[in-house]
Amino acid sequence: GENVEQHPSTLSVQEGDSAVIKCTYSDSASNYFPWYKQELGKGPQLIIDIRSNVGEKKDQRIAVTLNKTAKHFSLHITETQPEDSAVYFCAASGRGSGGYNKLIFGAGTRLAVHP
Amino acid sequence: NAGVTQTPKFRVLKTGQSMTLLCAQDMNHEYMYWYRQDPGMGLRLIHYSVGEGTTAKGEVPDGYNVSRLKKQNFLLGLESAAPSQTSVYFCASSRRGMGPQHFGDGTRLSIL
Repeated sequence: GENVEQHPSTLSVQEGDSAVIKCTYSDSASNYFPWYKQELGKGPQLIIDIRSNVGEKKDQRIAVTLNKTAKHFSLHITETQPEDSAVYFCAASGRGSGGYNKLIFGAGTRLAVHP
Repeated sequence: NAGVTQTPKFRVLKTGQSMTLLCAQDMNHEYMYWYRQDPGMGLRLIHYSVGEGTTAKGEVPDGYNVSRLKKQNFLLGLESAAPSQTSVYFCASSRRGMGPQHFGDGTRLSIL
């Protein structure tokens, strides 16, 4: 079935370092890949997304890369700050119906940024 | 601008009790979703709706029912709660079928 694997499950970095989270997906038809940040007690919040016709997308300190051939995509956070500490989820679109492409989520990565 | 609002925020139920979780969005989005979040398992889709009056099953629909009588509201019902339904429930909405989903802050449900 459709599956998204996310690594690592926990990541600890020093403030100012870079953080990289990687995801692989199983459905070659997937064409939309969002990343969500979830802070304690809150719902997931979209931070960046990429579609399959683009290989890389940047937004300030955050970037996402996509390798369609290998079926993996990654989130890169540069110059990390303590407020980047949160759980990050990747997702890939799956086969749905009624004009809807369901999202398959990874299990999440808990990022801790230490001052 | 509230976005997606979920009520209640917390609830404790006994096995066999029923309850309804309410989700309301003020962004005029067509699509709405109910997910459950369990430790180490990410978000799993329970049911979704592609428009007012429509509902469809997601990945883990058993034990839940939904209704979308008004475009802005999406209700999730548990007819006979079981301990396995202890979880954090998130509602989300989106303007299009494939695009950014906006999440509420969740309902933490414990079933004893």
